[in-house]
Amino acid sequence: DAMVIQNPRYQVTQFGKPVTLSCSQTLNHNVMYWYQQKSSQAPKLLFHYYDKDFNNEADTPDNFQSRRPNTSFCFLDIRSPGLGDAAMYLCATSSGRAFEQYFGPGTRLTVT
Amino acid sequence: GEDVEQSLFLSVREGDSSVINCTYTDSSSTYLYWYKQEPGAGLQLLTYIFSNMDMKQDQRLTVLLNKKDKHLSLRIADTQTGDSAIYFCAEIEGGGNKLTFGTGTQLKVEL
Repeated sequence: DAMVIQNPRYQVTQFGKPVTLSCSQTLNHNVMYWYQQKSSQAPKLLFHYYDKDFNNEADTPDNFQSRRPNTSFCFLDIRSPGLGDAAMYLCATSSGRAFEQYFGPGTRLTVT
Repeated sequence: GEDVEQSLFLSVREGDSSVINCTYTDSSSTYLYWYKQEPGAGLQLLTYIFSNMDMKQDQRLTVLLNKKDKHLSLRIADTQTGDSAIYFCAEIEGGGNKLTFGTGTQLKVEL
C-alpha cells in the first residue's frame, strides 16, 4: 500500500563520506521532489524533477545532487556530507506542478 | 519573498475544537494546504483549498480562507489524542512547483 517509499529510514555516515538516499513511488507521478528538514524547522525544497527535467533551487548547495533513472525512482546524493547536513530528508511526488504533493516517511541522516 | 507564519504551540483538551492559524504574504497563491507531521514521520496531506474558495469542510476538518487578510485557518472538531502532531500550512503559486511551508504549529492534546 505504501505509495512513496524511502530507504533507508535512518542513515549514519561519516563526515566527508558520500551517501545516497533513495526514493521510489508507485503512483506513476511525473514530479518528484527532495526536501531537507532540520530539527524544529519547516521542510526546505532542494530540487525537483518534472519527468526528466531537473530543477535546482537557487540556494541548494553544490554538495547535493540528484538522479532520476526512471519514473519510479529518484536518488539524493550528498557528495561530502558535513555536520550541518544532518537532517530529515523527505521525498515527495505529485501528478503535476501546482498539484498536491505526497510525502514519503523520510530518511533521517546523521553525520558523525 | 514569501513568508508563511504560524503560532508555534497550541494546547487543547480532548474533545474540544482546535483552531490553527496561518498567515501568508503571497497574494498569487492558488492552492493552500494543511499537512500533519507526527514525530519522526513524513508529512501527511490533510486537506487543501483553492484560492477562489472561502471554506472547505472535510469530516472533522474545516478550512477557512480570508484572501483579503491572507489568513488561513484549520479547525479540528472533537480533537483526539491522535491529533497531537505538528501542523504545517503551505502555499503554492499559480503554475509553480514550490511549496512554501509555514513555521509549523505543534498541537498538544491533553486528556
